[in-house]
Amino acid sequence: QQQVKQSPQSLIVQKGGISIINCAYENTAFDYFPWYQQFPGKGPALLIAIRPDVSEKKEGRFTISFNKSAKQFSLHIMDSQPGDSATYFCAARKTGFQKLVFGTGTRLLVSP
Amino acid sequence: DAGVTQSPTHLIKTRGQQVTLRCSPKSGHDTVSWYQQALGQGPQFIFQYYEEEERQRGNFPDRFSGHQFPNYSSELNVNALLLGDSALYLCASTQGSGDSGANVLTFGAGSRLTVL
Repeated sequence: QQQVKQSPQSLIVQKGGISIINCAYENTAFDYFPWYQQFPGKGPALLIAIRPDVSEKKEGRFTISFNKSAKQFSLHIMDSQPGDSATYFCAARKTGFQKLVFGTGTRLLVSP
Repeated sequence: DAGVTQSPTHLIKTRGQQVTLRCSPKSGHDTVSWYQQALGQGPQFIFQYYEEEERQRGNFPDRFSGHQFPNYSSELNVNALLLGDSALYLCASTQGSGDSGANVLTFGAGSRLTVL
């Protein structure tokens, strides 16, 4: 059972453009939603995270938008740079549990 | 400050064999979780160890077992290897077993297991 669905599977964006990755979840008990960035040969690294009591969180060029009623959240990367080229994973977690449920990942390529 | 270190980085086994993967958590961390990441997929939670005990477990068979040592390092053991066990095995560490610790998970680079 895939509890977190992520799209698109891959994405090509020109330098300076906006990258948008979407995720949808099923379990309403999830209450923490992080995004991870993974470069080849590396483990995932926490990028930004949000809780459902806010609809948006911004850190630098990265923004999470959260729609609790639709059970959807998305990552926006503004002014995308070639160095942002990586695989991005959304994830979700329930209070009291450290287990993260990951989406299937989005491979982002930012062309120069 | 060393982060999470895992060994070996790559290994090849044949079906039916057993494998042991090792993880040293980040300095100051006492909780270790293991994830399996199949090619082109997101990581899947295997189990978590805290105070040398398995605290949470994902949907993995008993062929997957683990251990945590007094120095907080951990091992993942997989018996009777199947072709489908080929994956990147990630170790993640944090401080404590509660919610605050869950929000600062640090992942290692993983051990890539190939089963032939």
